[in-house]
Amino acid sequence: EIMMTQYPATLSVSPGERATLSCRASQSVSSSLAWYQHKPGQAPRLLVYGASTRATGIPARFSGGGSGTEFTLTISSLQSEDFAVYYCQQYINWWTFGQGTKVEIK
Amino acid sequence: EVQLVESGGGLVQPGGSLRLSCAASGFTFNTYWMIWVRQAPEKGLEWVADIKHDGSDQYFVESVKGRFTISRDNAKNSLYLQMNSLRAEDTAVYYCARLTQWVRGVIMTNSYYMDVWGKGTTVTVSS
Repeated sequence: EIMMTQYPATLSVSPGERATLSCRASQSVSSSLAWYQHKPGQAPRLLVYGASTRATGIPARFSGGGSGTEFTLTISSLQSEDFAVYYCQQYINWWTFGQGTKVEIK
Repeated sequence: EVQLVESGGGLVQPGGSLRLSCAASGFTFNTYWMIWVRQAPEKGLEWVADIKHDGSDQYFVESVKGRFTISRDNAKNSLYLQMNSLRAEDTAVYYCARLTQWVRGVIMTNSYYMDVWGKGTTVTVSS
């Protein structure tokens, strides 16, 4: 099983600031990597797939990068609606998720 | 609007059974693989089971094999998860999601990601 590790567990950021979230795979997943945003009581929302392709309707302030085992999700200027938990997921070998990074208001 | 709505969760005793449903709308349901994912309290997301668009293939995480079955009714645009012999460790929010094949450039890969999710239904296994 491919293990996904996200860091940090919690990120405290002020509105308007930049946030960078990291994700590491225990073995190469090439670019088979997705990022999801999850708010309490809501459906998880696909942000990025293929490591760097934004999903339909996702604002340009969200950008994904990386390949192989190291990946990042950058939110260029945090808006109030961006405070949530973010998960990375590999889909090259079944599906496994990271434990999530909570982005909270500083 | 593309939408998935889960139902059927509740409180059940260990060893009991429960059937979850997922109603799909806004897309051609019978052309997509579908999947169930769960999240136990204070834990991460975990793939549970997935099913081919025509129902002919199903796959399960090891911990539910022999206890859970996944099925679909394409005429009703619905996905199901029958859960038997439930254990405390099955306590979780269960989400259904649509799987979309990853097209890398012009290449249709054999990899699928989850592009639409429901809000989930809560299953609690406790005496």
